[in-house]
Amino acid sequence: SQTIHQWPATLVQPVGSPLSLECTVEGTSNPNLYWYRQAAGRGLQLLFYSVGIGQISSEVPQNLSASRPQDRQFILSSKKLLLSDSGFYLCAWSEQDNQPQHFGDGTRLSIL
Amino acid sequence: LAKTTQPISMDSYEGQEVNITCSHNNIATNDYITWYQQFPSQGPRFIIQGYKTKVTNEVASLFIPADRKSSTLSLPRVSLSDTAVYYCLVGVHHSSGSARQLTFGSGTQLTVLP
Repeated sequence: SQTIHQWPATLVQPVGSPLSLECTVEGTSNPNLYWYRQAAGRGLQLLFYSVGIGQISSEVPQNLSASRPQDRQFILSSKKLLLSDSGFYLCAWSEQDNQPQHFGDGTRLSIL
Repeated sequence: LAKTTQPISMDSYEGQEVNITCSHNNIATNDYITWYQQFPSQGPRFIIQGYKTKVTNEVASLFIPADRKSSTLSLPRVSLSDTAVYYCLVGVHHSSGSARQLTFGSGTQLTVLP
């Protein structure tokens, strides 16, 4: 069966520090991968998606970037965090177009 | 973009059927409708997906009228453990071309009371 792993589960970072959140998927090949952010009490906002290694599309302009160095690895990064980057970050995968997405357990990021 | 609208909250009692409606007036021809359940501090969990008419699985039913401008998630005989936020997602992702933004609704907080 397929599984998705995100880490760390929680992270506290100072303003201006770098960020690296990692997501890996097991049990499937060439998945579509997604990064979402969820502000407290709000819905999910799609940040990035990837249909293959090295292929990244951004949905909203922001202080963050994403990379996909391997087929089942998706990384969310920032060179200098802002206070507004705080939130709950979720990684998801789907098998192909229009298939349901399966989410990880998320990373709660707090910026001080 | 297919913007979605859901009620902010709903209350129900154990054993009752719950229907949550999502409005998506400008849904596009290729858009699918997917519903998710989210518990606090967890990622959303897939419930059901449909394109038109009715879809049923072991946990829920999804009703989509002919014009597809709304959809209704039906949860039969809810229990306390069904207390969660429910999201509808309308959109499509084509890896072969430009993708449409996948738009989550604001979610409906369902509270099941004993």
